[in-house]
Amino acid sequence: RKEVEQDPGPFNVPEGATVAFNCTYSNSASQSFFWYRQDCRKEPKLLMSVYSSGNEDGRFTAQLNRASQYISLLIRDSKLSDSATYLCVVTVISSGSARQLTFGSGTQLTVLP
Amino acid sequence: DGGITQSPKYLFRKEGQNVTLSCEQNLNHDAMYWYRQDPGQGLRLIYYSQIVNDFQKGDIAEGYSVSREKKESFPLTVTSAQKNPTAFYLCASSIDLWRMNTEAFFGQGTRLTVV
Repeated sequence: RKEVEQDPGPFNVPEGATVAFNCTYSNSASQSFFWYRQDCRKEPKLLMSVYSSGNEDGRFTAQLNRASQYISLLIRDSKLSDSATYLCVVTVISSGSARQLTFGSGTQLTVLP
Repeated sequence: DGGITQSPKYLFRKEGQNVTLSCEQNLNHDAMYWYRQDPGQGLRLIYYSQIVNDFQKGDIAEGYSVSREKKESFPLTVTSAQKNPTAFYLCASSIDLWRMNTEAFFGQGTRLTVV
């Protein structure tokens, strides 16, 4: 079983739609959670961190459910510029208590005009 | 401007050759990482370093080597022992490996193709 699993999509939605992505993680000791965005053939960039109480940044809302070990990303009023791959990232504790980032395979989103 | 720079952007290698990918950062970050990304897949960790003169193997270190002689630099060598080297290689850095919610910053990546 992969440590971090995401639905690969693709999700094709019209402009203005609301879309949600889920991500599950297997290590219950995971401590930090993030969503990164990766445009085609580019490097990933941090979209937002995910906090226990849930957090919102404009049209984007992230939530964490530790009991069920999943995180979610909700995008409201989708824009064409939201088209990208969204990577779920969790931090796991490796040897010596160092934290490592573990990436999901990503969910591809295409927003259609 | 502070950032992380990878070079070259595109690299072609003949089978049996070693090649070295450059990664430099001026963010004063202690931790640096190398990831590999294949089409339709997530990032897989090759090596990481938490401080100068120290580095650790990640999940797919076979066929790769690294060095960390300077804080700013973390070059990756893809050796001839790596059976499937064609991929997109990403270097990243973060303040350190110990803080929670620490963001990783990525370079623009190097596309390596074996010809």
